[in-house]
Amino acid sequence: KAGVTQTPRYLIKTRGQQVTLSCSPISGHRSVSWYQQTPGQGLQFLFEYFSETQRNKGNFPGRFSGRQFSNSRSEMNVSTLELGDSALYLCASSLTVDTEAFFGQGTRLTVV
Amino acid sequence: ELKVEQNPLFLSMQEGKNYTIYCNYSTTSDRLYWYRQDPGKSLESLFVLLSNGAVKQEGRLMASLDTKARLSTLHITAAVHDLSATYFCAVDLGFQTSGSRLTFGEGTQLTVNP
Repeated sequence: KAGVTQTPRYLIKTRGQQVTLSCSPISGHRSVSWYQQTPGQGLQFLFEYFSETQRNKGNFPGRFSGRQFSNSRSEMNVSTLELGDSALYLCASSLTVDTEAFFGQGTRLTVV
Repeated sequence: ELKVEQNPLFLSMQEGKNYTIYCNYSTTSDRLYWYRQDPGKSLESLFVLLSNGAVKQEGRLMASLDTKARLSTLHITAAVHDLSATYFCAVDLGFQTSGSRLTFGEGTQLTVNP
């Protein structure tokens, strides 16, 4: 059974650019949530999608956005990148909104 | 706002010794997870605790949940070097319609020395 797949694994971008990260959940899972991990702030919730609808959102600026497609795959987008956006971005999928979440390998974003 | 606090944040122990990591949280939830993270890697699920009094064991690790005290513990028995990693607890409020799906503790960086 394939796990959660995140692409790309590594990314280097320049300040001011935008970036799109992708997450393919485990087959049959309909909930996808995104987290940012930095040494200073730890693991922080970005947003969660269920059945193509954003269910809730963390305390991040509007530059961070996401969406979910009908096949449950999700993308997150960060516009006007800042140095502080450098982080490991983790995606997790679960069957529904209150079942165990399984994490992908993450995308390491470096903003220079 | 839910707060999840772990202690200690750093733990250096000798092989063969026992120790406990504590995870306190500030709001009602009966769903808590423990994860392990190796440097530069993602989160590996260790335990899922779904009810008050839940206890789970895997190898040298045992986790428990006391929802009334809002406390979970991760007990390490006879530590070995391979257990060196960062351990996170996370409280799940997925049953709520707003707020964070998972709120994580700060993490406990465990180093097991020979």
